[in-house]
Amino acid sequence: DAGVIQSPRHEVTEMGQEVTLRCKPISGHNSLFWYRQTMMRGLELLIYFNNNVPIDDSGMPEDRFSAKMPNASFSTLKIQPSEPRDSAVYFCASSLKEMNTEAFFGQGTRLTVV
Amino acid sequence: AQSVTQLDSQVPVFEEAPVELRCNYSSSVSVYLFWYVQYPNQGLQLLLKYLSGSTLVKGINGFEAEFNKSQTSFHLRKPSVHISDTAEYFCAVLKGGYQKVTFGIGTKLQVIP
Repeated sequence: DAGVIQSPRHEVTEMGQEVTLRCKPISGHNSLFWYRQTMMRGLELLIYFNNNVPIDDSGMPEDRFSAKMPNASFSTLKIQPSEPRDSAVYFCASSLKEMNTEAFFGQGTRLTVV
Repeated sequence: AQSVTQLDSQVPVFEEAPVELRCNYSSSVSVYLFWYVQYPNQGLQLLLKYLSGSTLVKGINGFEAEFNKSQTSFHLRKPSVHISDTAEYFCAVLKGGYQKVTFGIGTKLQVIP
């Protein structure tokens, strides 16, 4: 298996632009997670899906952030409009077991908003 | 609420020396505990996990951790580190019955030749 695949690996965009991050989970995994990593706040869980349904989005910082999972093999995290403080590394992770006892992470998308 | 405290942000250690990375958690209910490693420009990779049973857990790359319920700790240890162990290590906790994993702030392990 290729593991969790995220694209793009790097994204540089101007403030105010829309940004879309993409994730393909490991085939057969039924839980998907979006995390944000910054120096100041560490790893924060933004949202997670179970069987394509958003279960907890309490970590989404504000309405500018939205996430979708239209099917079991694809998810997006969108920021519109983007701001410099959104600059971070965004990770997608997936797991097979409902209890999330082992999550597999993608390599992340490094987002820079200038 | 659950939280995870990693007491050291950076730990320098000489090659072949032992190392301990500290982790304490707070939770009033049973938890599952994890250590993940992140190499530069990579995602997180599971090192080991404690779900139940023996409090001493062995993981990959020669790492082990001990769950201590009375001290609410889950410290990570390796008896002899290698240059290749240079990475950032994250302790994480999952509260029983929930899917939300809370990560510590991370500890950067720097192995000095």
